[in-house]
Amino acid sequence: GESVGLHLPTLSVQEGDNSIINCAYSNSASDYFIWYKQESGKGPQFIIDIRSNMDKRQGQRVTVLLNKTVKHLSLQIAATQPGDSAVYFCAENRDNYGQNFVFGPGTRLSVLP
Amino acid sequence: DVKVTQSSRYLVKRTGEKVFLECVQDMDHENMFWYRQDPGLGLRLIYFSYDVKMKEKGDIPEGYSVSREKKERFSLILESASTNQTSMYLCASSIGQGAKLFFGSGTQLSVL
Repeated sequence: GESVGLHLPTLSVQEGDNSIINCAYSNSASDYFIWYKQESGKGPQFIIDIRSNMDKRQGQRVTVLLNKTVKHLSLQIAATQPGDSAVYFCAENRDNYGQNFVFGPGTRLSVLP
Repeated sequence: DVKVTQSSRYLVKRTGEKVFLECVQDMDHENMFWYRQDPGLGLRLIYFSYDVKMKEKGDIPEGYSVSREKKERFSLILESASTNQTSMYLCASSIGQGAKLFFGSGTQLSVL
């Protein structure tokens, strides 16, 4: 992911609507991707992951889509709730040993009542 | 549940002090990591360790060192703290190669 400076991109959605958060990754050889959620004052929390042999993976209220052609990852949250308000960021593994991940700068999701 | 515990939530130190940040994980994970998180820059890897007494430099190791004497514990050391090391520090662990990271709650360090 590229740095967007000091201010995070922000997505505001109405409670109950679906949210789509996007992430562009940098390495076409990356084969494992993770979405994390970070609430204020807490450490990042695992949401969902996907390997490059898949295009889509679903969890509880969340879906991750992977488009390897354009190196794009998205996180869809269904029926967004106030508790979903947080910063979301993607991570890609960047070397063959899978030891290191590169993290995007994040997107702040605000859920409006 | 995996638990990664960082010893301090907030720390305030003075320039030039030696600072120790401690991290303990309770899931017998092989790999442990230290990141710093700054607004708009994402998480940047400082150091990681894939075994006891082993360490590897990450993207921004300058000004830091680490210690892993026991499998469950990974310490980050700032030999002489500087104001540009004011940041949120996050410890993480993973079970092995290519596995997802589990993070601690972070330590907000302020160097005055």
